Amino acid sequence: EVQLVESGGGLVNPGGSLRLSCAASGFTFRGAWMSWVRQAPGKGLEWVGRFKSKSDGGTTDFAAPVKDRFTMSRDDSKNTLSLQMNSLKIEDTAVYYCTADVPDTAAHSFDYWGQGILVTVSS
Amino acid sequence: QSALTQPPSASGSPGQSVAISCTGTSSDVGGYNYVSWYQHRPGKAPKLIMSEVNKRPSGVPDRFSGSKSGNTASLTVSGLQAEDEADYYCCSYAGRNNLGVFGGGTKLTV
Repeated sequence: EVQLVESGGGLVNPGGSLRLSCAASGFTFRGAWMSWVRQAPGKGLEWVGRFKSKSDGGTTDFAAPVKDRFTMSRDDSKNTLSLQMNSLKIEDTAVYYCTADVPDTAAHSFDYWGQGILVTVSS
Repeated sequence: QSALTQPPSASGSPGQSVAISCTGTSSDVGGYNYVSWYQHRPGKAPKLIMSEVNKRPSGVPDRFSGSKSGNTASLTVSGLQAEDEADYYCCSYAGRNNLGVFGGGTKLTV
């Protein structure tokens, strides 16, 4: 059974930092393109960032609103993905989902999703 | 990248069919056959229900179908059931070094 379990969310002051983690199981993590997708209150889904598999270059891409503030890391030996969020803004308040695009399944799709974790940026 | 355009709402009675559109540009929807659709029920994780325009993942009922013409993709739900009530989002690939882009979402009421 595939599982993506997010942790690390919570309340943080504007300008603060927070680190989200995602523990993956049930699929070949090292081959997956891993992403974070968020949903702000009352809003739609927004792709935050992506970490390609090492075999596909191991590079990251970020959405314009978070570029230069957010970074991602992955540990293929531990099947974990992290999102480091710095200089947080009120508009970063959202439920953050860890997602996986797994090879040999649907191409360029979010095949699996975690349950999501809430990040609230407020003073 | 600008968000793809979806109607904010759609509705139908049980047993009817409804189509949800998703309009982008030649740089995303029109340029690639990598449009996916997600069903999102409140309090749940989004679920992939269509990939590569018209491919249904295992376990998704064949009442769901996808298509594309030019810069517009569509998700059709036939034989509507109460359980289909949810928010639906499209998403398109936008090139190897670009993040893809989501639509604004469509709330389907049955």
